[in-house]
Amino acid sequence: GAVVSQHPSRVICKSGTSVKIECRSLDFQATTMFWYRQFPKQSLMLMATSNEGSKATYEQGVEKDKFLINHASLTLSTLTVTSAHPEDSSFYICSAESWWGRGTDTQYFGPGTRLTVL
Amino acid sequence: DAKTTQPPSMDCAEGRAANLPCNHSTISGNEYVYWYRQIHSQGPQYIIHGLKNNETNEMASLIITEDRKSSTLILPHATLRDTAVYYCIVRASQGGSEKLVFGKGTKLTVNP
Repeated sequence: GAVVSQHPSRVICKSGTSVKIECRSLDFQATTMFWYRQFPKQSLMLMATSNEGSKATYEQGVEKDKFLINHASLTLSTLTVTSAHPEDSSFYICSAESWWGRGTDTQYFGPGTRLTVL
Repeated sequence: DAKTTQPPSMDCAEGRAANLPCNHSTISGNEYVYWYRQIHSQGPQYIIHGLKNNETNEMASLIITEDRKSSTLILPHATLRDTAVYYCIVRASQGGSEKLVFGKGTKLTVNP
């Protein structure tokens, strides 16, 4: 149980184009999804938190107009990198969590998406 | 900033127990200790978490000191596939939507 998938696993695009990454919770409903970014040899950095049906909350320094997040259902969140540039090249990872008002909650991570912008 | 301190790297022989320490001296009463690991070029994998009692599952054991200021993750019989970066994270777990703050973790290398 607690499987999170991401698509695509790898994408190469030209500078100036937009790229959409999907994150799905396959066997549970995710009340909250998180998007992280990881540069080479660095740790994961949280970009934003999204709750189903509401606007995402972005971390300081993350441009919300550049990284569009949609969490339209309890099993799907998307991250769109708009007008991508080479400095946006990174490993993007999502996580999903369910919390129904009892017990502890655990985040489960997707396998990540490697974005390369030429 | 991460609220935990871990050694940057450790080595372990295959088949032996790997004991990974973590200091979290400023942990609050409502914060849990979570452990994740990340194998190269993959998303983090959840291992275990606990509040104050020791915990065990099919992957590992978590030993938390009585004062809760430190903990140890134990992989009882390390294999080559356990080579990864291990992250110890403290996080409040009430009300949902609490973010995980990743530090630099411990790079565990299991040697044959």
